[in-house]
Amino acid sequence: DSGVTQTPKHLITATGQRVTLRCSPRSGDLSVYWYQQSLDQGLQFLIQYYNGEERAKGNILERFSAQQFPDLHSELNLSSLELGDSALYFCASSAYRGYGYTFGSGTRLTVV
Amino acid sequence: AQRVTQPEKLLSVFKGAPVELKCNYSYSGSPELFWYVQYSRQRLQLLLRHISRESIKGFTADLNKGETSFHLKKPFAQEEDSAMYYCALSVNYGGATNKLIFGTGTLLAVQP
Repeated sequence: DSGVTQTPKHLITATGQRVTLRCSPRSGDLSVYWYQQSLDQGLQFLIQYYNGEERAKGNILERFSAQQFPDLHSELNLSSLELGDSALYFCASSAYRGYGYTFGSGTRLTVV
Repeated sequence: AQRVTQPEKLLSVFKGAPVELKCNYSYSGSPELFWYVQYSRQRLQLLLRHISRESIKGFTADLNKGETSFHLKKPFAQEEDSAMYYCALSVNYGGATNKLIFGTGTLLAVQP
């Protein structure tokens, strides 16, 4: 157990739907990062939150949004889902950047 | 521009042979580099971080700023080393704003 908890582990939904992925960071970590891993795009950075504030943004689609709550857990909302959104979505957290980023086990999203 | 390049998609070696997984980076700042390992599309596990100069599971990596490289090496490969290996660069924008960018990964296959 890495200390970063992601739920659900698997999600199957239909095109056009909306889903919410949840991440609880490791205790004491203030930063949360979201990544998308697909076979054709590899590991893509989506967004970073630090202590409730959005900090860094990557190639995140407008249909996707995220937030970090006062208890530091984070949610990634994916709406108007398309087949191409099927991927593994990872959350990571960090305390100090030089010590690395700890990843959760991911949520496997399948859009049918 | 920030970039991490892993030129080999697949590296196949025999058990007991030396392994070198190549990683080159492009970054204008002071680089913070990591190696992550992923078994069967499970959680990304931190293998090495260059600032700590550790040796984990027999793997080592040395940062060469002149060649902008951070190659991963192991003198004698084991079958259990078979996995996907990702080189990653921490990009820092100041303060707590940062992100981790990944190379495309190298699949290491250790044959018996």
